[in-house]
Amino acid sequence: DAKTTQPPSMDCAEGRAANLPCNHSTISGNEYVYWYRQIHSQGPQYIIHGLKNNETNEMASLIITEDRKSSTLILPHATLRDTAVYYCIVRPTGNDYKLSFGAGTTVTVRA
Amino acid sequence: DAGVIQSPRHEVTEMGQEVTLRCKPISGHDYLFWYRQTMMRGLELLIYFNNNVPIDDSGMPEDRFSAKMPNASFSTLKIQPSEPRDSAVYFCASSPLWGWNEQYFGPGTRLTVT
Repeated sequence: DAKTTQPPSMDCAEGRAANLPCNHSTISGNEYVYWYRQIHSQGPQYIIHGLKNNETNEMASLIITEDRKSSTLILPHATLRDTAVYYCIVRPTGNDYKLSFGAGTTVTVRA
Repeated sequence: DAGVIQSPRHEVTEMGQEVTLRCKPISGHDYLFWYRQTMMRGLELLIYFNNNVPIDDSGMPEDRFSAKMPNASFSTLKIQPSEPRDSAVYFCASSPLWGWNEQYFGPGTRLTVT
């Protein structure tokens, strides 16, 4: 997998937007950007993925820069339940099924 | 759908005993994955199935580990004999064919081998 770099931790106020950055400067043309999160004592949870266009679903938005070297996951209205470790992963589509998480960003949402 | 179901949620056993972990994937998902997570090694893929057939078991650490998927709604991961270093959280995940990169994880089984 192409290497990703994320800040180790960040705080966010409840009700505010949380913007989580991820650098992936060595990303290849066929590689997607995926975001997962893991809430304490739970299994990883898929959030969103994208190739080059911005994406939005019921959980979050994904903004990918034009050169694709970085991206930002946006949680529009963070709640206490969004406190988790967030993982940015770069993976090719096709038969590469192995998920491998780095250290991720520990997000703490505060009341 | 109830999501991926795993049982038991917690298992404590003595070294040398057989351990069987169970997983029910999301209905309609063609891929099933078994992962292990520890603080030291992070998340490791052990094996995955496609349409009940094991495709790649290269992540299975030793012959003590075995996995089966007798039908589309059930899979087991067995450790025999268990050792203290097998202590970890074991996750099962499933993925639909059309979006198999999106893996949906179960709550995990926390295994402690004493």
